[in-house]
Amino acid sequence: NAGVTQTPKFRILKIGQSMTLQCAQDMNHNYMYWYRQDPGMGLKLIYYSVGAGITDKGEVPNGYNVSRSTTEDFPLRLELAAPSQTSVYFCASSYLGTLTGELFFGEGSRLTVL
Amino acid sequence: GQQLNQSPQSMFIQEGEDVSMNCTSSSIFNTWLWYKQDPGEGPVLLIALYKAGELTSNGRLTAQFGITRKDSFLNISASIPSDVGIYFCAGQLGGGSNYKLTFGKGTLLTVNP
Repeated sequence: NAGVTQTPKFRILKIGQSMTLQCAQDMNHNYMYWYRQDPGMGLKLIYYSVGAGITDKGEVPNGYNVSRSTTEDFPLRLELAAPSQTSVYFCASSYLGTLTGELFFGEGSRLTVL
Repeated sequence: GQQLNQSPQSMFIQEGEDVSMNCTSSSIFNTWLWYKQDPGEGPVLLIALYKAGELTSNGRLTAQFGITRKDSFLNISASIPSDVGIYFCAGQLGGGSNYKLTFGKGTLLTVNP
């Protein structure tokens, strides 16, 4: 089973460039999330979606945008990349929100902005 | 927003030793969760706790939901090399916030064979 698939796994960007991190899940989950992980800082929620066509901001949304046109896909867009966006990004999904607590995470996308 | 204080930040132990880590919060949570992240991977759920005072085991792992609903601990008994990784606690407020988990900063566990 594929689960949650993220691409690319690694990317280096120059300051001011833009890019999209792709996320797809094949579990028919309603809820999808984007987190960033910085060393020693845990996971911070960037954006989340409770279903196709519905998105909302998390804890650290500035500099990012998302869309959810289908149940399966939840891309994260970085506009005008900045060094502060150097991080590991994780996409996750769940069926009943966090009612059961189980989020299924992708393997992560490591982004470096130089 | 809510914050979780997870300790210790890191641990270096010998294979076979027991491990204990905990999380505390100034907020009450309805659910406490423990995740493990292997190097280069995303976090994976180990144990979920839904009721104050609940004690749950999963193999060599035992976790408890504190009576005050503001804390939780995770114990690992007889550690083995594959226990290496980062362990995260997470709390969920519940109600209208069922889409949000608050994560601790993680405990990095190193096991020396």
